[in-house]
Amino acid sequence: DSGVTQTPKHLITATGQRVTLRCSPRSGDLSVYWYQQSLDQGLQFLIQYYNGEERAKGNILERFSAQQFPDLHSELNLSSLELGDSALYFCASSPYLTGRDTQYFGPGTRLTVL
Amino acid sequence: GNSVTQMEGPVTLSEEAFLTINCTYTATGYPSLFWYVQYPGEGLQLLLKATKADDKGSNKGFEATYRKETTSFHLEKGSVQVSDSAVYFCALRITQGGSEKLVFGKGTKLTVNP
Repeated sequence: DSGVTQTPKHLITATGQRVTLRCSPRSGDLSVYWYQQSLDQGLQFLIQYYNGEERAKGNILERFSAQQFPDLHSELNLSSLELGDSALYFCASSPYLTGRDTQYFGPGTRLTVL
Repeated sequence: GNSVTQMEGPVTLSEEAFLTINCTYTATGYPSLFWYVQYPGEGLQLLLKATKADDKGSNKGFEATYRKETTSFHLEKGSVQVSDSAVYFCALRITQGGSEKLVFGKGTKLTVNP
């Protein structure tokens, strides 16, 4: 158990809908990262937050947005969902902004868009 | 750009066989390198890491050496067990401009038969 929690574990929804994925980092970790794992694209970095501020963006679609709250939990919002958004979404956390520790991954949220 | 190439498999071995999973990378500078493992139905777990050239990471009988001259970080284990069946991901850490992200290979599925 990494100490990173993600809810829900599974999510099934329809095209065009909007969903919110939630992540609670390990106690004391200030950085939160979101990754998408899909069959065709593999594991891809989406976005990093550090202590409430966005720090880096990867291959994140404009329909997707994220935020990190004062209690350091993070939410990933996915809107106007398409079939291709079906994937496993991982959250990871680390204590620092960069480079001094590894990233600890949560168990993931499996999103299925029908 | 920054990328990781690893043998995609699947790899099927008998118990006690020798394992090698090849990983090469392209990156500017001197990234840290990681192997993560994903057991069925679970999130990613850090298996081992190396932060500079010639470092050897090791854990649970697995080893990998950071080879700058060949830009490689091959994963090896002398004698695999059924419990090692999982998907293995090679990754590099990119740190820039006050942010960081992991870039992953596509993963190698390992099945160990008794």
